[in-house]
Amino acid sequence: DTGVSQDPRHKITKRGQNVTFRCDPISEHNRLYWYRQTLGQGPEFLTYFQNEAQLEKSRLLSDRFSAERPKGSFSTLEIQRTEQGDSAMYLCAQTRGTGTEAFFGQGTRLTVV
Amino acid sequence: AQSVTQLGSHVSVSEGALVLLRCNYSSSVPPYLFWYVQYPNQGLQLLLKYTSAATLVKGINGFEAEFKKSETSFHLTKPSAHMSDAAEYFCAVSDGAGGSYIPTFGRGTSLIVHP
Repeated sequence: DTGVSQDPRHKITKRGQNVTFRCDPISEHNRLYWYRQTLGQGPEFLTYFQNEAQLEKSRLLSDRFSAERPKGSFSTLEIQRTEQGDSAMYLCAQTRGTGTEAFFGQGTRLTVV
Repeated sequence: AQSVTQLGSHVSVSEGALVLLRCNYSSSVPPYLFWYVQYPNQGLQLLLKYTSAATLVKGINGFEAEFKKSETSFHLTKPSAHMSDAAEYFCAVSDGAGGSYIPTFGRGTSLIVHP
């Protein structure tokens, strides 16, 4: 158990619906990342926060995706108007600082039908 | 930009045999390097990390990796495979180019262990 928890673990939604995932972090780890992982691939970077500031977004993060980290605590990732191509595992990770190892949550598996 | 290449999407070994998983990286500045393991429907767990203190790094579960700057490699080895080692393994690089230190992962290598 890394201490990073994600909710829900699984989500099945119909195409076109909105979904929101939550990540509850280790309190003293100030960097929080969201990754997407599809079958047979490694985690792909989506976005990251330094405390409450969203500092970088990947080109993978289309305008249907939005992430927040109010007050530098928990984080949410919302996908609007879901598409079948959004089906993937969404992983939240944290690092204590630069160049340190990432602590991952167990992920939220999204299936869009 | 930093990147990681893992050679071989699948590696198959017999129980008790040597495990070798290959990783090559690209980085414009001295990198931090990591190996993670992932079991089905789980997040990633750290096996070991290189942070410039020593080129041979020992990790959990008997795994180790050697940083070779001249070859830009960070291959993962274990002398004797166990059935419980069957999992997906990811190499990752993190460097400070641009100040981001965002971990970048390879595509992964699936380790299959035969009895």
